[in-house]
Amino acid sequence: DQQVKQNSPSLSVQEGRISILNCDYTNSMFDYFLWYKKYPAEGPTFLISISSIKDKNEDGRFTVFLNKSAKHLSLHIVPSQPGDSAVYFCAASPILTGGGNKLTFGTGTQLKVEL
Amino acid sequence: NAGVMQNPRHLVRRRGQEARLRCSPMKGHSHVYWYRQLPEEGLKFMVYLQKENIIDESGMPKERFSAEFPKEGPSILRIQQVVRGDSAAYFCASSPDVELTEAFFGQGTRLTVV
Repeated sequence: DQQVKQNSPSLSVQEGRISILNCDYTNSMFDYFLWYKKYPAEGPTFLISISSIKDKNEDGRFTVFLNKSAKHLSLHIVPSQPGDSAVYFCAASPILTGGGNKLTFGTGTQLKVEL
Repeated sequence: NAGVMQNPRHLVRRRGQEARLRCSPMKGHSHVYWYRQLPEEGLKFMVYLQKENIIDESGMPKERFSAEFPKEGPSILRIQQVVRGDSAAYFCASSPDVELTEAFFGQGTRLTVV
């Protein structure tokens, strides 16, 4: 039972353009959402997060949008850079409802930013 | 300011042997989480520990797997009598508390069972 889904296993974008990575979730108890970036043979690196009381959070080139009614979030990267090429994982936790910081991850989207 | 330290980075075990994976959380972090990533899959939660306590082990296989986070020293994930299906990347993460903080991940231990 995949509670966090990333339906696009890969995405290719030209340098300078916008990258949009999507994530859907099914568990209504999730109230805190995070995006992690992962290079091969390394651990995930935190990028940006959003709690369910917000619908947008921005940090530099990265913006996360949350649509609670649709149980959907997206990560926008603009402008995309070659160094952004990595696997991006969406993760969710029920932290605000006392479920702890246990994260449920999606299966990841491989982003490739081309010159 | 060292991050989450995991060792070894790579571990090869023969079927039936024991594997011990170590994780030292970031300084000041009292919460440790273990995740496993099987090939071509996302990370799956295994266990959540605080010092000397297992808080949530709902993701741990019922047999052969155990975890501890003693008062002194690193957290240990122990896999007894390893089988080929245990081959995976095992990641440890730590956080200072459970209040809206992201977990910081180590570089992982890649276990290969031959």
